[in-house]
Amino acid sequence: DTGVSQNPRHKITKRGQNVTFRCDPISEHNRLYWYRQTLGQGPEFLTYFQNEAQLEKSRLLSDRFSAERPKGSFSTLEIQRTEQGDSAMYLCASSPWYYTDTQYFGPGTRLTVL
Amino acid sequence: AQTVTQSQPEMSVQEAETVTLSCTYDTSESDYYLFWYKQPPSRQMILVIRQEAYKQQNATENRFSVNFQKAAKSFSLKISDSQLGDAAMYFCAYRSDHNDMRFGAGTRLTVKP
Repeated sequence: DTGVSQNPRHKITKRGQNVTFRCDPISEHNRLYWYRQTLGQGPEFLTYFQNEAQLEKSRLLSDRFSAERPKGSFSTLEIQRTEQGDSAMYLCASSPWYYTDTQYFGPGTRLTVL
Repeated sequence: AQTVTQSQPEMSVQEAETVTLSCTYDTSESDYYLFWYKQPPSRQMILVIRQEAYKQQNATENRFSVNFQKAAKSFSLKISDSQLGDAAMYFCAYRSDHNDMRFGAGTRLTVKP
């Protein structure tokens, strides 16, 4: 296993722009999760997929946020019309079907909205 | 709602000594999982140890062990023989089959040489 990878690692954007992040889970992990982590806090759940199906979304996931996992492999998280409050670390995690309670995290994408 | 509380924002330990990080949680579920994750500075979150609530035996992983008190809803992490590489943010987390993963606010551990 090469681990969960996320791209880009850092993104700086201006308020109002759209951004998209990508997550590649560990091979054959069927569950994929997105979290947001602000400075000094623990990660907060945003959404998760089982294969290509998005099964749960947090209230934190406003209508400006959309996530996809079209082929059940990699996932993208898009934020439209970014706001300064969106500045955070966006973490992706995956878990295998046989051990769904344990999640393996990627390095995160740090978003800064100016 | 399930919440996870880490009451120690910062802890410090001397190299080779033992330190215990505290965590309490609130739940009405009987089956759930508890975790400790380590997040070194500018590096990704790593699973340190996990505990299934139905198991009475405390989990151990090398120098890391937990004290799981189900009735008290307490889940502390003990790090023995602390090493410089143990310095990191430590997050306690809870998950059940009916809920997504909930994290505490974290404890920053400093290891002094």
